[in-house]
Amino acid sequence: SQTIHQWPATLVQPVGSPLSLECTVEGTSNPNLYWYRQAAGRGLQLLFYSVGIGQISSEVPQNLSASRPQDRQFILSSKKLLLSDSGFYLCACSGDSYQETQYFGPGTRLLVL
Amino acid sequence: TQLLEQSPQFLSIQEGENLTVYCNSSSVFSSLQWYRQEPGEGPVLLVTVVTGGEVKKLKRLTFQFGDARKDSSLHITAAQPGDTGLYLCAGGTGNQFYFGTGTSLTVIP
Repeated sequence: SQTIHQWPATLVQPVGSPLSLECTVEGTSNPNLYWYRQAAGRGLQLLFYSVGIGQISSEVPQNLSASRPQDRQFILSSKKLLLSDSGFYLCACSGDSYQETQYFGPGTRLLVL
Repeated sequence: TQLLEQSPQFLSIQEGENLTVYCNSSSVFSSLQWYRQEPGEGPVLLVTVVTGGEVKKLKRLTFQFGDARKDSSLHITAAQPGDTGLYLCAGGTGNQFYFGTGTSLTVIP
């Protein structure tokens, strides 16, 4: 079964600073990968998904970007963080069909001050 | 608009009580999943239901998929403080995977 790693677990960054969150997946190959953001106690907002290396689809216009340099590595980045970027960021993976069950990493809590 | 609506949004009950959480949609899903998420952690998959009318039991949790595969329910018997968390339904339809709006459950000892 797949295991998803995310780091860092917690991050406090000043407004205007850059961001890099990393997600790696073990136990599966050619997964679909996803980045979500979650407000406290609420549902999930899909930010990006990737069906393969170098293939990124964006769901929400924002100052964030994503990259997939390797099959099982997914990176979420920003050049300049905004206060509104604060939240809980979750990486997920699934099989190669959009309808398949998604499995989640432990998440990264980002606080932008 | 949300494709999957959950109700209630918040629920606070005493230990030992029973509860039901609903997940409704106007769309047909090929399968529905239920996740539980504790604060500061990622959602953890509880169950997947794939057949209309299917009922699955996981200890004190009972999951049901509607006959038309448009809705699902989660029933917890004799709730315990360890059941506290955010419950999310999710499912695939068309070429997309959707998450519900979430139900935040607090079980008071």
